[in-house]
Amino acid sequence: SQQGEEDPQALSIQEGENATMNCSYKTSINNLQWYRQNSGRGLVHLILIRSNEREKHSGRLRVTLDTSKKSSSLLITASRAADTASYFCATEHRGSTLGRLYFGRGTQLTVWP
Amino acid sequence: GAVVSQHPSRVICKSGTSVKIECRSLDFQATTMFWYRQFPKQSLMLMATSNEGSKATYEQGVEKDKFLINHASLTLSTLTVTSAHPEDSSFYICSAPGSSRETQYFGPGTRLLVL
Repeated sequence: SQQGEEDPQALSIQEGENATMNCSYKTSINNLQWYRQNSGRGLVHLILIRSNEREKHSGRLRVTLDTSKKSSSLLITASRAADTASYFCATEHRGSTLGRLYFGRGTQLTVWP
Repeated sequence: GAVVSQHPSRVICKSGTSVKIECRSLDFQATTMFWYRQFPKQSLMLMATSNEGSKATYEQGVEKDKFLINHASLTLSTLTVTSAHPEDSSFYICSAPGSSRETQYFGPGTRLLVL
């Protein structure tokens, strides 16, 4: 399978705590992206990190990328109940068609008020 | 920002019928669009790459005769699930890339239920 793996599959935390999700992949990539999906809804793009970048921030989000280990992490700081959703990483493989993405299995995050 | 729409948002059909799902880029042109399928509580699986003016490229294991893709214009791709069966019930999502690798626009999805 060309899909990545994410862990944990499910994460349950209290509001205000930080949430960390990890993603591993198998092949060389152009970039790695993180998406959010509320139950039964479409995808919301959160952040993209290029293969030559190691860390990126956007608001309460922090993404790291380790291409030697083929892994990435997404950190959500000071989580809120509204952050409850499924989070997916997606990779664009090197040499692949622009925009063609392979998604990880996802992490279901639940933030309790 | 750029928007991708899908129609219908939800469809229920009888087993054996064909269902057409439309994916439109509303304010930008897309020579390429992608179709994904998502089963409940699972990830998105790339089904095929839709190419304007040429044949779609299907991922391994996806039946091209089952899932017909037509990219008729620079703003419209259609996915037709032919002779649908209950196991085809799923959430189908399309996407279109923007002009740079930074932008991926996803449609809101179409939920298909085959009885």
